[in-house]
Amino acid sequence: QVQLVESGGGVVQPGRSLRLSCAASGFTFNSYSMHWVRQAPGEGLEWVAVISYDGDNAFYADSVQGRFIISRDNSKNTFYLEMNSLRVEDTALYYCARGAVGATGGEPNDYWGRGTLVTVSS
Amino acid sequence: DIVMTQSPDSLAVSLGERATINCKSSQSVLYSSNSKNYLAWYQKKPGQPPKLLIYSASTRESGVPDRFSGSGSGTDFTLTISSLQAEDVAVYYCQQYYSSLHSFGQGTRLEIK
Repeated sequence: QVQLVESGGGVVQPGRSLRLSCAASGFTFNSYSMHWVRQAPGEGLEWVAVISYDGDNAFYADSVQGRFIISRDNSKNTFYLEMNSLRVEDTALYYCARGAVGATGGEPNDYWGRGTLVTVSS
Repeated sequence: DIVMTQSPDSLAVSLGERATINCKSSQSVLYSSNSKNYLAWYQKKPGQPPKLLIYSASTRESGVPDRFSGSGSGTDFTLTISSLQAEDVAVYYCQQYYSSLHSFGQGTRLEIK
């Protein structure tokens, strides 16, 4: 069965960096685009970033553009979110989610992990 | 970027009654080459990841009860729960996946009256 498991969350000071990982299993990972979505405490869902199936294309929300980098290692069935210059407002539960086959759009996020919590605080 | 706006922000409905949530996109999410609306609805409960309920605006995901239905096209969409059950208390989100930037609506909190 499809499984997505996030890791790497924790408490970090403003301005520092953190890398999240999402380990995938139960499907042909290298055929799917993959997404990060976050939910700040008491807030709604916010889409963060997507990476294409082959890693050649990535897109970001304006709120993280230039600070976050999404990447993947298809040999390890894992993708990542490198978060730099972290801000207090980046505090959230970060979910990884499966996207479309062969494209970065065109299909909803059908499978989700349970999330990893990132807290940015001095 | 496509902006998604839901209404209302919160809703209280009696058990067994109908609940209706609206979603409007800032531009059409109808993909002309296949006539599909790239619009999904999710249910979010505390402590759980989002659950995909509806995609292509009106197609129920496998295992989703048939009291959940979606309608609309272009820029205006609706999620309807025909007979509210206690387990339907949650926050509901619409999402467009027409763009690679899969934006969400702000959410609608559904409660029991």
